[in-house]
Amino acid sequence: RKEVEQDPGPFNVPEGATVAFNCTYSNSASQSFFWYRQDCRKEPKLLMSVYSSGNEDGRFTAQLNRASQYISLLIRDSKLSDSATYLCVVNGQGSYIPTFGRGTSLIVHP
Amino acid sequence: GAGVSQTPSNKVTEKGKYVELRCDPISGHTALYWYRQSLGQGPEFLIYFQGTGAADDSGLPNDRFFAVRPEGSVSTLKIQRTERGDSAVYLCASSLQAGGSDTQYFGPGTRLTVL
Repeated sequence: RKEVEQDPGPFNVPEGATVAFNCTYSNSASQSFFWYRQDCRKEPKLLMSVYSSGNEDGRFTAQLNRASQYISLLIRDSKLSDSATYLCVVNGQGSYIPTFGRGTSLIVHP
Repeated sequence: GAGVSQTPSNKVTEKGKYVELRCDPISGHTALYWYRQSLGQGPEFLIYFQGTGAADDSGLPNDRFFAVRPEGSVSTLKIQRTERGDSAVYLCASSLQAGGSDTQYFGPGTRLTVL
């Protein structure tokens, strides 16, 4: 089993839709969790950190489920500009080395 | 301010040649990471520097790969006797301090093609 797994998609959704991605991780001692966004042929950029209590930033909501070892990203009212690959990142306890998932591709169409 | 920069942006080389890829991190960032990303995959960790020293090089695939950061700022990733399988985008990232919880800022990457 891979350390961090994501459904590669693509997820094709119309503008205005709500879409959610999950990311599972295998190391139960993992401590830090993030979602990064990567546009085509560009570098990854931090979208949001994922806190134990969950967090929200505008249309984006991130959740952590430690019992089931997954994190989620919910995007409400999708925009065309949300089209990108969303990378899940997990850090183990005491580790400085983040592990990236392969990413989930989102395509928002008119 | 200036972000992470990487040069060259593209590098085409022939099998068996030596290449050097450069990363200029954000000023003041002590941690520097190198990753390799193949098409359809997430970034794969190669090596991590804290200051001048390689704190973890467990991701380097073999001894053809080597990286340095002599003054704790600019880093160079060196690949000897390149192989076609080395073709990928090589990403550099820096963060303010060590620790997995710190935000990483990525450079635009170097796209390496080995013919």
